[in-house]
Amino acid sequence: DAGITQSPRHKVTETGTPVTLRCHQTENHRYMYWYRQDPGHGLRLIHYSYGVKDTDKGEVSDGYSVSRSKTEDFLLTLESATSSQTSVYFCAISDGPTGHNSPLHFGNGTRLTVT
Amino acid sequence: SQELEQSPQSLIVQEGKNLTINCTSSKTLYGLYWYKQKYGEGLIFLMMLQKGGEEKSHEKITAKLDEKKQQSSLHITASQPSHAGIYLCGADSQGSSNDMRFGAGTRLTVKP
Repeated sequence: DAGITQSPRHKVTETGTPVTLRCHQTENHRYMYWYRQDPGHGLRLIHYSYGVKDTDKGEVSDGYSVSRSKTEDFLLTLESATSSQTSVYFCAISDGPTGHNSPLHFGNGTRLTVT
Repeated sequence: SQELEQSPQSLIVQEGKNLTINCTSSKTLYGLYWYKQKYGEGLIFLMMLQKGGEEKSHEKITAKLDEKKQQSSLHITASQPSHAGIYLCGADSQGSSNDMRFGAGTRLTVKP
């Protein structure tokens, strides 16, 4: 299994509070991604990174920000959590950009509940 | 954007039976990936198909890419309880969005 660790694994937070999820990899892959998985919507890309301090938006980026100060760490921040952000969040990594036959490897996810 | 439709949505089979899951794309397929997900866990990469007609196998799981039909099929031979889970297909998006799109998944239950 790819060395990807997500923390925390579970979190319950209140509406309006900031939340940061962490993804740590030991594979030295250049590309890192944050997805959310919801019933009826499947997996949707939030943000991705193509290098240290290089990030871009995905399909559902509103309300989220990311940072990547080191190759191995990719942080996802919910500035002010809302109930619509209750979801399971997955981090993924790849050694090349998608669209170039590079499979994604996923972490075990963080289950976030916003009350 | 590229849409991936998987069929069936769910499948219940008796242990030992063969089964097939399909993934059909609304656009040309250039790279197709199959993943398996168990409840409460992340997606596990199974295999990648790159060319039309390509076929790959991993243990008792075989996947094939039909470029003309814009479809991939995943076939499990002699299913076992360990095969149970959700199977998802993913495909490379075109352009520079760097976004892999996924099907909604097929939930497989294998009855002992």
